[in-house]
Amino acid sequence: KQEVTQIPAALSVPEGENLVLNCSFTDSAIYNLQWFRQDPGKGLTSLLLIQSSQREQTSGRLNASLDKSSGRSTLYIAASQPGDSATYLCAVILQGGSEKLVFGKGTKLTVNP
Amino acid sequence: GAGVSQTPSNKVTEKGKYVELRCDPISGHTALYWYRQSLGQGPEFLIYFQGTGAADDSGLPNDRFFAVRPEGSVSTLKIQRTERGDSAVYLCASSLNAVSAQYFGPGTRLLVL
Repeated sequence: KQEVTQIPAALSVPEGENLVLNCSFTDSAIYNLQWFRQDPGKGLTSLLLIQSSQREQTSGRLNASLDKSSGRSTLYIAASQPGDSATYLCAVILQGGSEKLVFGKGTKLTVNP
Repeated sequence: GAGVSQTPSNKVTEKGKYVELRCDPISGHTALYWYRQSLGQGPEFLIYFQGTGAADDSGLPNDRFFAVRPEGSVSTLKIQRTERGDSAVYLCASSLNAVSAQYFGPGTRLLVL
């Protein structure tokens, strides 16, 4: 059974700091990995999608990397801003099975002004 | 409205009642997913549609839960004889096809009293 773990569960940083969020998964046979942002009381916003054949994806201040063989992904946020405060979730789609996302519990990020 | 929409945004019901939750996916998206999210947890998969058919319903917790997508667009999640443990946020997502990025709606917050 695919399990996704996100560390740390919560993170508080001062504005302007660069930071890394971690995601690990137990089964490396994945189609892709997706990073989401969730604001309190809201739905999920897709940030980045990395296909299994890719090593990284970038969007603005965000960079996501994927090391499929070791079952790890990182989300790097550069020059963090208070508006980045949210819960960040990673999720994978397993090969050879349903196209459902399997989620971690998320990392709650607080960026202090 | 280019995104996924869900109605109602909030639903309060009494134990034992029947509820229907609606999802309007992004136009042209053939794949539609339902997830359920409890407080402090990542979303958990319920059911996945490819077109009109349920390709995977393995996440439905029991036979009180049922979902339909009769015309391959709008989907309705139906819960019979609701229980307090059904209280959660029900999220709908759609994607262009299986294994492409999933886009989520704002969710329906269900509270069973």
